[in-house]
Amino acid sequence: GAGVSQSPRYKVAKRGQDVALRCDPISGHVSLFWYQQALGQGPEFLTYFQNEAQLDKSGLPSDRFFAERPEGSVSTLKIQRTQQEDSAVYLCASSISGTTNEKLFFGSGTQLSVL
Amino acid sequence: GQNIDQPTEMTATEGAIVQINCTYQTSGFNGLFWYQQHAGEAPTFLSYNVLDGLEEKGRFSSFLSRSKGYSYLLLKELQMKDSASYLCAVRVRLGDYKLSFGAGTTVTVRA
Repeated sequence: GAGVSQSPRYKVAKRGQDVALRCDPISGHVSLFWYQQALGQGPEFLTYFQNEAQLDKSGLPSDRFFAERPEGSVSTLKIQRTQQEDSAVYLCASSISGTTNEKLFFGSGTQLSVL
Repeated sequence: GQNIDQPTEMTATEGAIVQINCTYQTSGFNGLFWYQQHAGEAPTFLSYNVLDGLEEKGRFSSFLSRSKGYSYLLLKELQMKDSASYLCAVRVRLGDYKLSFGAGTTVTVRA
């Protein structure tokens, strides 16, 4: 596609449910990022992939959060046993090769509401 | 943690100029980005500064002073479509791909 695509656009989960959020980066982009954006705040880094390798997962808030990118393209962010504090917009971003001065292309995000 | 400060809100009139300031106190510095985010939409790239000085791109300009830990984004000839949140983000370390974002400045353009 032309841009970064995320699905679902909205997700409502009951506390304790598992959720899976999908990101389709721009075709050919090597680098992929997940960020979490709480209401009225800037995005907070969660994790980073270069191709299929997860090079940095220092931002994942707990072991309930897990991300994968098995074939170096589509990525999935999974949250187990969701809690109310997980409610946020989850943004995916990609960049061409991952050099440090490259701009990121963001998706529109998945808005997760945990009830 | 990293500290990146921006004003929460600004209001300006169509056709005017607005300057959004960003100050940062981070453990290192390897570049500063500005992104625009309309409500409910993806952030989109506006500018990148790594050296001191002014970068001009059409109606938008961005300035950086590394010694002062300071940047600003200047929006000229404001249009209604410029109403959005503006995010300042710092790359802290060379070779570190992640960005540390400020909370964003919501700009409202009035007719």
